[in-house]
Amino acid sequence: EAQVTQNPRYLITVTGKKLTVTCSQNMNHEYMSWYRQDPGLGLRQIYYSMNVEVTDKGDVPEGYKVSRKEKRNFPLILESPSPNQTSLYFCASSPSGPRETQYFGPGTRLLVL
Amino acid sequence: SQQGEEDPQALSIQEGENATMNCSYKTSINNLQWYRQNSGRGLVHLILIRSNEREKHSGRLRVTLDTSKKSSSLLITASRAADTASYFCATGINDMRFGAGTRLTVKP
Repeated sequence: EAQVTQNPRYLITVTGKKLTVTCSQNMNHEYMSWYRQDPGLGLRQIYYSMNVEVTDKGDVPEGYKVSRKEKRNFPLILESPSPNQTSLYFCASSPSGPRETQYFGPGTRLLVL
Repeated sequence: SQQGEEDPQALSIQEGENATMNCSYKTSINNLQWYRQNSGRGLVHLILIRSNEREKHSGRLRVTLDTSKKSSSLLITASRAADTASYFCATGINDMRFGAGTRLTVKP
């Protein structure tokens, strides 16, 4: 089944404890991206990747890192999480970019205490 | 910053009625997409309209695009309770920008 998977789905952590949220797609898509969703603000793009080893900042990259070593995986890293990073996170992929349908993962709900 | 801005923020209608949601955007676009999100879940793509198209249909969905006004509308006809969800418009060249969404409630 073609899909985007994220792990974990739910995470409670404490300020400053490094964490990684994984994202994987099995559709051989070139474009992958991360979003956060906060009430009243819609989705805001954190980082995106046009292809392997190519990543770019989105609207709200501060406090996040990403890597794209393989086509299928695009992990989101929070080196030192803070409470203002409490949010719902989505990973998405598409064949070649924003001009095409984005396929979303199920989301990761993160609470930083 | 958000590219798309949906209007209204919330809409409540009765089953069988039509629902219209509007989206305005700020910069030039290649296409505009509409997505649906059921409470807290991942977004699902509904329809994509290209900048050289004015109207597009998909089942009970009708999307219009007016590039001179930088606006788009999504019409859901004969709404059902199952259409209750949030609807977002999105545009982008390399990065992707979503609006804050319209929360639609369809009452049985």
